[in-house]
Amino acid sequence: GNSVTQMEGPVTLSEEAFLTINCTYTATGYPSLFWYVQYPGEGLQLLLKATKADDKGSNKGFEATYRKETTSFHLEKGSVQVSDSAVYFCALPYISSGSARQLTFGSGTQLTVLP
Amino acid sequence: NAGVTQTPKFQVLKTGQSMTLQCAQDMNHNSMYWYRQDPGMGLRLIYYSASEGTTDKGEVPNGYNVSRLNKREFSLRLESAAPSQTSVYFCASSAKTGSEAFFGQGTRLTVV
Repeated sequence: GNSVTQMEGPVTLSEEAFLTINCTYTATGYPSLFWYVQYPGEGLQLLLKATKADDKGSNKGFEATYRKETTSFHLEKGSVQVSDSAVYFCALPYISSGSARQLTFGSGTQLTVLP
Repeated sequence: NAGVTQTPKFQVLKTGQSMTLQCAQDMNHNSMYWYRQDPGMGLRLIYYSASEGTTDKGEVPNGYNVSRLNKREFSLRLESAAPSQTSVYFCASSAKTGSEAFFGQGTRLTVV
């Protein structure tokens, strides 16, 4: 079935550093791919998504490209800020029973940005 | 913009006690979900409701029951709480199963 493997954390960077968080997937077909972010004490929020192969999702300076050749959806940001400190989750749909699809999440990557 | 609202935000239970976690969404979504989040385990699906009137087990349903009361509300019940159910519980909703999900703020439950 569909699954994601996410880069282990934690990741600690200095402000204005370049960020990459790796995510690779196994999937039947080309499902939508998602990145979610969880700030301390809050629920998950959708950060960006890509709905088909070669699409690039972007939001708040973050980008991720849906690459079918390498089955990857790596999250990048050119210059991180302290306010980007959070846990980041990669996710994609999978079929759990019958035709019902759910989201399966990676294990999460904790990012800490130091001033 | 309320989105997904969960109550309570915090709860401490004694082993064997029961409680119901409430969830409501105001986005007219068809599908709703309950997840638990534990350190090192990521998010695990407990139960979901693909549409009003249906519920199905997820990855870790044992010890829980759910009710899809109407299109807006989806509750999670612990009949006899156990320390292993200490966790952060998230409710989520989506327009349809497998599409982007919107999450509530979470309920931090401690069972002593």
